[in-house]
Amino acid sequence: EPEVTQTPSHQVTQMGQEVILRCVPISNHLYFYWYRQILGQKVEFLVSFYNNEISEKSEIFDDQFSVERPDGSNFTLKIRSTKLEDSAMYFCASSEMRGVGEKLFFGSGTQLSVL
Amino acid sequence: AQTVTQSQPEMSVQEAETVTLSCTYDTSESDYYLFWYKQPPSRQMILVIRQEAYKQQNATENRFSVNFQKAAKSFSLKISDSQLGDAAMYFCAYRSARGGGATNKLIFGTGTLLAVQP
Repeated sequence: EPEVTQTPSHQVTQMGQEVILRCVPISNHLYFYWYRQILGQKVEFLVSFYNNEISEKSEIFDDQFSVERPDGSNFTLKIRSTKLEDSAMYFCASSEMRGVGEKLFFGSGTQLSVL
Repeated sequence: AQTVTQSQPEMSVQEAETVTLSCTYDTSESDYYLFWYKQPPSRQMILVIRQEAYKQQNATENRFSVNFQKAAKSFSLKISDSQLGDAAMYFCAYRSARGGGATNKLIFGTGTLLAVQP
């Protein structure tokens, strides 16, 4: 079965630094998502992206965050100036369609540690 | 706002036995989808099963089935003939059908860690 690929699997950064988390969605998928999971807490929706623009975002997704699909295959999440509370597992997901019952395919996540 | 609650942080089952994982949710909407996702040690979340709220029949996928009680807002997952490979974190999730599915976000519970004993 095709997979969503995320790199790196672990990222350590200093507070205030910029990080870019990378994802390669499944090739024929059109809808892309970022979720995050702070240790011991729920998986939370961050943003969805379609047709080169954000279609929905949560209140977590403030001006420090941005997403981009720079080259038609990669889908990136940038955090401009990381804070300690950004430490979490970040999951990328993609889907072929947008229907409410549509299956999301998730990557294995990037564990971000902000020191 | 919708919420999803999984009240069992951890569960354990003997291989070949049956286990039921609980999930309750809160919503004022009438049309939505519910999902169970599995997260093995590889961390990749995999869809196990999904249920449309307007369908009364409980969804089934091989050894996995759900007990969907819409009035009680309950959505439990039953795993029959448990296998060692079923050991994972299981997340219950809700997705609104408002606007024909215009909202993309899944709302997750906190998960239940299932251990399978040989």
